[in-house]
Amino acid sequence: KQEVTQIPAALSVPEGENLVLNCSFTDSAIYNLQWFRQDPGKGLTSLLLIQSSQREQTSGRLNASLDKSSGRSTLYIAASQPGDSATYLCAVGNNDMRFGAGTRLTVKP
Amino acid sequence: DAGVIQSPRHEVTEMGQEVTLRCKPISGHDYLFWYRQTMMRGLELLIYFNNNVPIDDSGMPEDRFSAKMPNASFSTLKIQPSEPRDSAVYFCASSPLLGIEYGYTFGSGTRLTVV
Repeated sequence: KQEVTQIPAALSVPEGENLVLNCSFTDSAIYNLQWFRQDPGKGLTSLLLIQSSQREQTSGRLNASLDKSSGRSTLYIAASQPGDSATYLCAVGNNDMRFGAGTRLTVKP
Repeated sequence: DAGVIQSPRHEVTEMGQEVTLRCKPISGHDYLFWYRQTMMRGLELLIYFNNNVPIDDSGMPEDRFSAKMPNASFSTLKIQPSEPRDSAVYFCASSPLLGIEYGYTFGSGTRLTVV
């Protein structure tokens, strides 16, 4: 069974910092990996999708990388802003999609 | 497209009552997933359908839970009888292809409280 782990569980940074969120998974035979954002009391918003044949995806200040051989993905957020405060979830797709527990990010003004 | 639509947004019910959660996937999406989110266990996959057929229901916690997809545009998740430990946010998601190209699109969730 696929196990997905996210580190750290929580992160607090001052505005303007660059930061990295980590995701690891146990089964490298995946179809894709998706990063989501979840605001308190809200649903999940897809940020980036990396297909298994890709190594990275970029959207604005966000960059996600995927290393299937080592079972790792990172989400890089450049020049963080208070509006980036949310929980970030990593999800790995095999025959279904398994989620990590998330990283709760707080960006302080 | 209006996205994945779930109803109701909030549900408060008494222990022992039947609860039905509803989901309308994105038109043309062949896969539909039901997830449950709690503080303790995070997001758990309960069941998923392909072309209206249940494929994997191994995540359904007990026989009190049942899910149906009578047609391509509608699915229900039913809990009967409900218990306080069923309190959680239930998400529905749909995908055009199973984890291959487009990933998943989630609904806004139904927050269930059983008292």
